[in-house]
Amino acid sequence: NAGVTQTPKFQVLKTGQSMTLQCAQDMNHEYMSWYRQDPGMGLRLIHYSVGAGITDQGEVPNGYNVSRSTTEDFPLRLLSAAPSQTSVYFCASRQGGGSPYNEQFFGPGTRLTVL
Amino acid sequence: AQSVTQLDSQVPVFEEAPVELRCNYSSSVSVYLFWYVQYPNQGLQLLLKYLSGSTLVKGINGFEAEFNKSQTSFHLRKPSVHISDTAEYFCAVSQNTGNQFYFGTGTSLTVIP
Repeated sequence: NAGVTQTPKFQVLKTGQSMTLQCAQDMNHEYMSWYRQDPGMGLRLIHYSVGAGITDQGEVPNGYNVSRSTTEDFPLRLLSAAPSQTSVYFCASRQGGGSPYNEQFFGPGTRLTVL
Repeated sequence: AQSVTQLDSQVPVFEEAPVELRCNYSSSVSVYLFWYVQYPNQGLQLLLKYLSGSTLVKGINGFEAEFNKSQTSFHLRKPSVHISDTAEYFCAVSQNTGNQFYFGTGTSLTVIP
């Protein structure tokens, strides 16, 4: 049981490039989410999904796209990278799409630098 | 929307001393409360959670937290810290309406030998 996995661990992009951060979970969790972590700002929600085919915006969605074609995978796409998107990105999942009392399980993170 | 406040951004404490990390949240509607720990260059791990019932919750690694509804607080405590407790600690809140976790800005705990 690998839990939540994220690839890559590190990435350097140039301004304007696009890329996809991968996230997968093997716990059959319905709810998945993406956060970015910046110094002094804690974790801020980018997008989330309560099940395959259903996604919604979080607090800071601009510049990011997501899709959820399977229960296991929840990729995050940066359309045109900007230096302001330099951050550490965490994917998380929890059991139940509508179960706010369940804990979230986090991946190890992807450290992204945009030059 | 919910807001979560962790007033102390950095807390230095000597080894074997007690520590309290403070967390306050804004909404008085039914909430679920969580504390997570993040060790350097790692993801977040759950320390403990409060869903209902007894207001004193015990978690892993000797940590405990007390839910205070009237003060909308959920402070984290440990009676005697170890060097290995050096990490970033996050308070998080979710509520019955909506599907979001709201995180505080984190408290960096440094245990001094």
